[in-house]
Amino acid sequence: SQQGEEDPQALSIQEGENATMNCSYKTSINNLQWYRQNSGRGLVHLILIRSNEREKHSGRLRVTLDTSKKSSSLLITASRAADTASYFCATWGSARQLTFGSGTQLTVLP
Amino acid sequence: ETGVTQTPRHLVMGMTNKKSLKCEQHLGHNAMYWYKQSAKKPLELMFVYSLEERVENNSVPSRFSPECPNSSHLFLHLHTLQPEDSALYLCASSRSGTAGETQYFGPGTRLLVL
Repeated sequence: SQQGEEDPQALSIQEGENATMNCSYKTSINNLQWYRQNSGRGLVHLILIRSNEREKHSGRLRVTLDTSKKSSSLLITASRAADTASYFCATWGSARQLTFGSGTQLTVLP
Repeated sequence: ETGVTQTPRHLVMGMTNKKSLKCEQHLGHNAMYWYKQSAKKPLELMFVYSLEERVENNSVPSRFSPECPNSSHLFLHLHTLQPEDSALYLCASSRSGTAGETQYFGPGTRLLVL
């Protein structure tokens, strides 16, 4: 069964604005990862947050994890046109495989 | 560049053809993966190899046949595919295949089955 589910499915913002994407999942996890995919290409790992962590930062990225609500959010601050891509959350849990959501398509308008 | 390469990048084949997808990783990893990405659907894990042994096979039809001759190379042999098999096929690698570590993806092979 599908584990991660991103929200919204699509997001369009102006350059310089912040973009927030959410991920919800169903069962307990060991870690949650965010990946980015430019159109028709491979996925690139952005950040990994473990189940005992609540927040992590990497450059303009901020990820939060709320295990009580089984949800995570990815915030991209001061967005740029080059941030236009699909963003996926992926969970690792008892199934012992990374399970991906359907992704959020982010468009940053110049 | 993620250190994972895939060839070919694009492939068009008929339903009676036999073709192979190739993946190579230059990261010294011990686990490799095949994923299928169809439009509007989440990535589907097809096969996992750890130390050249297949450890996962997610009910993939037998018309897909993986091969892992060593820890750096992974193949996906295709035979008598169906139009619904048209998708982006992604290869990935990770250090050990356990503990939910980061996976490194290749650029994918865009497959069209006519």
